[in-house]
Parts: sequence; C-alpha cells; structure tokens
Amino acid sequence: DGGITQSPKYLFRKEGQNVTLSCEQNLNHDAMYWYRQDPGQGLRLIYYSQIVNDFQKGDIAEGYSVSREKKESFPLTVTSAQKNPTAFYLCASSTGPPNEQFFGPGTRLTVL
Amino acid sequence: GENVEQHPSTLSVQEGDSAVIKCTYSDSASNYFPWYKQELGKRPQLIIDIRSNVGEKKDQRIAVTLNKTAKHFSLHITETQPEDSAVYFCAAILNQAGTALIFGKGTTLSVSS
Repeated sequence: DGGITQSPKYLFRKEGQNVTLSCEQNLNHDAMYWYRQDPGQGLRLIYYSQIVNDFQKGDIAEGYSVSREKKESFPLTVTSAQKNPTAFYLCASSTGPPNEQFFGPGTRLTVL
Repeated sequence: GENVEQHPSTLSVQEGDSAVIKCTYSDSASNYFPWYKQELGKRPQLIIDIRSNVGEKKDQRIAVTLNKTAKHFSLHITETQPEDSAVYFCAAILNQAGTALIFGKGTTLSVSS
C-alpha cells in the first residue's frame, strides 16, 4: 500500500464546522499533495508541499488550509468557508517531481 | 493556466480489442507524463509514465506515446481484459518549476466479455 495512510476513512460534518483530515507517510518522501475528487472532475489539486514548513496553493485552495510541520505529516483542514466540501479527498506523496506519486486510501467527507 | 484535456470521457470495448485514450496539455515546459488507473473504491495507481526525452514506452499490453510538438500523449491498451475496466487519468507537470501534477478528468473504460 505504499506506506501512506489517511484517516478517517469516512467523516461527517455539520455545516459551519471545521474538520481536519489526516495524512501520514513513512516513505521518507519530501513532497506531499492533497487532491479533491468529484464525479467526472478528475483529481483537482488543493495544496502541495515540497519541503517541511513550506506549501503552495493548488487550483482550488479556497476554503482549505494545511500545515507541514513534520516531513511525515500533511494534515488538511476543511473550513466553514468551503461552500461545497462533500467529496472524496486523496493525499499523495513522492520523492519530488517529476516522479511517481503514491496515493493514500482517501477520506470521504460528507456535510450533513 | 495550465490544463490537461482528456478524451474520451467514457470508452466501451469488447474483450480482446484495443483501447486508446488521448490527452493534450498546455504547458510546453512539461516533461513528465504519467498515467494512473483507479479501480472502483480504490486509490489511483501508476501504470506507466513517460518523460519528454522519449517518444514511446511499452510495458506488456500497455504503451504510451508522446508528441511534444503537438503537445499530446496517448495511452494504448492492447488485448483488453475485463480487469482493465477502471477509470484512467493522465497527468502532466503543473508548471516550469516542475512542482506538481495536473490531472485530466479521467476516462471510464468498460471492457465487456
């Protein structure tokens, strides 16, 4: 499974609440990424980080925030500012572009 | 901004036929083009990739071709089998710094026996 894990597998949130999705890797990869997957939309990049304490916005960063305090961890917070957060969220890591990205199993977030 | 267009969005073939999925990209500086396969309920996994210094790469029944002049690349699957049924995504490097991938919207391949 590539040594990258995400938790929880399913997450339910009430409107107006912030939630944090966990992503951990033990592959010693420098780069980590967060994607959002909606039906028919492919994988859209939310945030990415090439190195600890540094990260960049992707195409759909509004309403999301991240931190990269440790090499192994890249948590994603979905804030109440995200208008349509219900989706499947995938985390990935790599040794750095341009190289293979390894994906975690994903977290399915549902807003009630 | 940079984008990757992928066609077709759905593809149905008979077992044993070939399947071809095509992608075009906008950033001429892109130099890495992977293809991922995602089975239902599972995570995407790399099946083949190609770098800009080659025009074609093969791995058993799978091949990828790259035309840098036209800025398009294609996935070819020969002798398709039912287990090839999945969603396939192409991708390209996001920008000249080579910092992230941008993905196409995916092709749902159905192989019927």
